Amino acid sequence: TQLLEQSPQFLSIQEGENLTVYCNSSSVFSSLQWYRQEPGEGPVLLVTVVTGGEVKKLKRLTFQFGDARKDSSLHITAAQPGDTGLYLCAGNSGGSNYKLTFGKGTLLTVNP
Amino acid sequence: GAGVSQSPSNKVTEKGKDVELRCDPISGHTALYWYRQRLGQGLEFLIYFQGNSAPDKSGLPSDRFSAERTGESVSTLTIQRTQQEDSAVYLCASSLIVTVGGTQYFGPGTRLLVL
Repeated sequence: TQLLEQSPQFLSIQEGENLTVYCNSSSVFSSLQWYRQEPGEGPVLLVTVVTGGEVKKLKRLTFQFGDARKDSSLHITAAQPGDTGLYLCAGNSGGSNYKLTFGKGTLLTVNP
Repeated sequence: GAGVSQSPSNKVTEKGKDVELRCDPISGHTALYWYRQRLGQGLEFLIYFQGNSAPDKSGLPSDRFSAERTGESVSTLTIQRTQQEDSAVYLCASSLIVTVGGTQYFGPGTRLLVL
């Protein structure tokens, strides 16, 4: 069974601070996705990374896929209260295009 | 157009009762997925439908769980003889095409509480 470990599980910071959350596995993934989920809503896709070493930026969010495609990180610069939410990583093993393995998530709270 | 919709948004039931959860995917999306999200846990894949192909039921946790989809439209997830451990948020997603890293669009979920 492939597992994705996310850390930290909880993170509470002040507005303007920077933060990094991690997604690690012992398995190789053909692609990895990051989602944000707000209370009462379904997850919303933020980014997909498919190439080892790939870095993608989405405004203040920077996503990196590890060289070995076993891990990923999400860095947020100058966090804002609107960034508050549950951040989930999900990997696709490539055996099937549709079956995603999700981590448990990092619950981020950005205090004004 | 509208996103993925799910009903009911909340469901409280007694242990042993059957429940039906409904998902309306985005129009034109051929692929439909059901996931379960327990408190403090990640999403667990339950079942996948793609067009007229046989569904992938490999994630269903027991034979009390079943799902159907009518063509490329509505899907229902049925849980028979509910147990307290079935309490969770049940999420449905749909996608236009199925590729590695393809985008799945999620509904808001149905929050099921089994007393």
